[in-house]
Amino acid sequence: AQTVTQSQPEMSVQEAETVTLSCTYDTSESDYYLFWYKQPPSRQMILVIRQEAYKQQNATENRFSVNFQKAAKSFSLKISDSQLGDAAMYFCAYRSVGSGTYKYIFGTGTRLKVLA
Amino acid sequence: GAGVSQTPSNKVTEKGKYVELRCDPISGHTALYWYRQSLGQGPEFLIYFQGTGAADDSGLPNDRFFAVRPEGSVSTLKIQRTERGDSAVYLCASSSRGTGGFGPDTQYFGPGTRLTVL
Repeated sequence: AQTVTQSQPEMSVQEAETVTLSCTYDTSESDYYLFWYKQPPSRQMILVIRQEAYKQQNATENRFSVNFQKAAKSFSLKISDSQLGDAAMYFCAYRSVGSGTYKYIFGTGTRLKVLA
Repeated sequence: GAGVSQTPSNKVTEKGKYVELRCDPISGHTALYWYRQSLGQGPEFLIYFQGTGAADDSGLPNDRFFAVRPEGSVSTLKIQRTERGDSAVYLCASSSRGTGGFGPDTQYFGPGTRLTVL
């Protein structure tokens, strides 16, 4: 069974600085998808970025980028030029490809605080 | 356009009672997911619908939990004989395709229903 681990319960970053959130996962599959979701206090989860495992190039979305290390089963999220609106819970998630399962497996989350 | 809506936003019930939680997905979205999020945890997959049928219900914890989507739009999660351990936020998400040749498309989440079982 696949697992997703986020070992940082909480992180803080100064406004305009850069922060990296860690995520590791365990799987025996060779192809899969990885995601980072943001959950603000309103509870509504928002997709931040996604990565297909077969792609070697790291995904980027504006100030958000990932460092995908397939061999190490690591998928970290880097937030550049942090803004107050980035404060939220961040969840890493895993989804299998073509195995007949539609499960998304989420980590326990990292709470990001942005200091003014 | 309107996003995913869930009603009620909060539900308090007594142990042993029956509850229904409703999800209105984005219009036209064929895929619908239910998740349960306990305090301090990430969302836990419950069930996935493609259209009217449950394509994957492997996350439902036991037979007290049941979900329907009779017309392929609105979905209801039903919990019988509620237990205190059922207390959590129940999240619904929809996507336009679910899966396909280009992989899963973006899930849009609702704000959730906070269920408290006393």
